[in-house]
Amino acid sequence: KAGVTQTPRYLIKTRGQQVTLSCSPISGHRSVSWYQQTPGQGLQFLFEYFSETQRNKGNFPGRFSGRQFSNSRSEMNVSTLELGDSALYLCASSLAHGTDNSPLHFGNGTRLTVT
Amino acid sequence: AQTVTQSQPEMSVQEAETVTLSCTYDTSESDYYLFWYKQPPSRQMILVIRQEAYKQQNATENRFSVNFQKAAKSFSLKISDSQLGDAAMYFCAYRSADTGNQFYFGTGTSLTVIP
Repeated sequence: KAGVTQTPRYLIKTRGQQVTLSCSPISGHRSVSWYQQTPGQGLQFLFEYFSETQRNKGNFPGRFSGRQFSNSRSEMNVSTLELGDSALYLCASSLAHGTDNSPLHFGNGTRLTVT
Repeated sequence: AQTVTQSQPEMSVQEAETVTLSCTYDTSESDYYLFWYKQPPSRQMILVIRQEAYKQQNATENRFSVNFQKAAKSFSLKISDSQLGDAAMYFCAYRSADTGNQFYFGTGTSLTVIP
């Protein structure tokens, strides 16, 4: 079974631009979560989508948004990029919406650099 | 919000020896799940082991085992017969049983395995 696929692996953008990251979950997984990983803040939860609906949202500004499609694929969008948005963005899929001990299965991440 | 603390930023172990990584967490909930993830330089987070809070028996997965002390809110990871491939960043994570797939991660422990 193919794992979680994130594209692209690397992105370089300029302040003020916007960016869209893509995530394809493991086949059969309906929950997709996004995390931001930085050396200073560690791993921080952005949001979770399940059955095309946002179920949880972390403490990030409205510039960070996401969506999920009917095939469970998810996209994350960051508008008006700031230097502080430079990070590794990890997508993770899970079989269920937190109703059991199902773990998160992570992709390789997208390394976003904002200049 | 729940907090997860990993007090050892770096640890090292000789190959074939045993090492224990510490993790404590703060919660007022009684039902939750705990996880250890490993992130090698390839940057993909990989599940190492998981524990349900309602289970008293400590989880084991081959060379990996945990010491779960619910009253002390402690969840340490023991790696036996350490191998070079165990070198990675290890993250402890908490997930409530009631709030979907929002995981709270510790800041990580970087494990070096000395040949």
